[in-house]
Amino acid sequence: AQTVTQSQPEMSVQEAETVTLSCTYDTSESDYYLFWYKQPPSRQMILVIRQEAYKQQNATENRFSVNFQKAAKSFSLKISDSQLGDAAMYFCAYRSSGGSNYKLTFGKGTLLTVNP
Amino acid sequence: NAGVTQTPKFRVLKTGQSMTLLCAQDMNHEYMYWYRQDPGMGLRLIHYSVGEGTTAKGEVPDGYNVSRLKKQNFLLGLESAAPSQTSVYFCASSYSMGRTQYFGPGTRLLVL
Repeated sequence: AQTVTQSQPEMSVQEAETVTLSCTYDTSESDYYLFWYKQPPSRQMILVIRQEAYKQQNATENRFSVNFQKAAKSFSLKISDSQLGDAAMYFCAYRSSGGSNYKLTFGKGTLLTVNP
Repeated sequence: NAGVTQTPKFRVLKTGQSMTLLCAQDMNHEYMYWYRQDPGMGLRLIHYSVGEGTTAKGEVPDGYNVSRLKKQNFLLGLESAAPSQTSVYFCASSYSMGRTQYFGPGTRLLVL
């Protein structure tokens, strides 16, 4: 079974600075998807960024980018120019690309605090 | 376009009571999912559906039932609520397997 590990329960960053959230995963599959979701105090789960394992290029979405290291099974999220609105719980998630496995496997989350 | 909506937002139940949580999506997605989120844990899949009239068990299905009579709706039922079912419940939908899942705002359930 796949597992997702987020080793940083909490992180903090100063406004306008850069922060990196770590995520590692364990799988025997070669093709899969990886996601970062943001959960602000409103509890809504918001997709931040998505990466297909077969793509070597790291995904980027404005101030958010990932460092995808397939051999190391690592998928970190970098937030540049941090803003107060970035404060939230961040979840890394894994999803198989084939078979009948439809579920997302989530890590336990990293709580990000942004200090003014 | 409201995306994924959930009803109710918050509910308190007594042990043994029953209730149904409603999830609705207006994106014409085939796939729908119910997750629960407990403190210190990520989301865990309860049940899912790959199309109208179909349902399947996820990771933690015990104590729950689901129905997908209409493509846009996915209902989660608790027949006899237990304190262990106190949680935040999220519904999600996606266009197909491998596509991004879009989440609703969540339902907070407290079972006393």
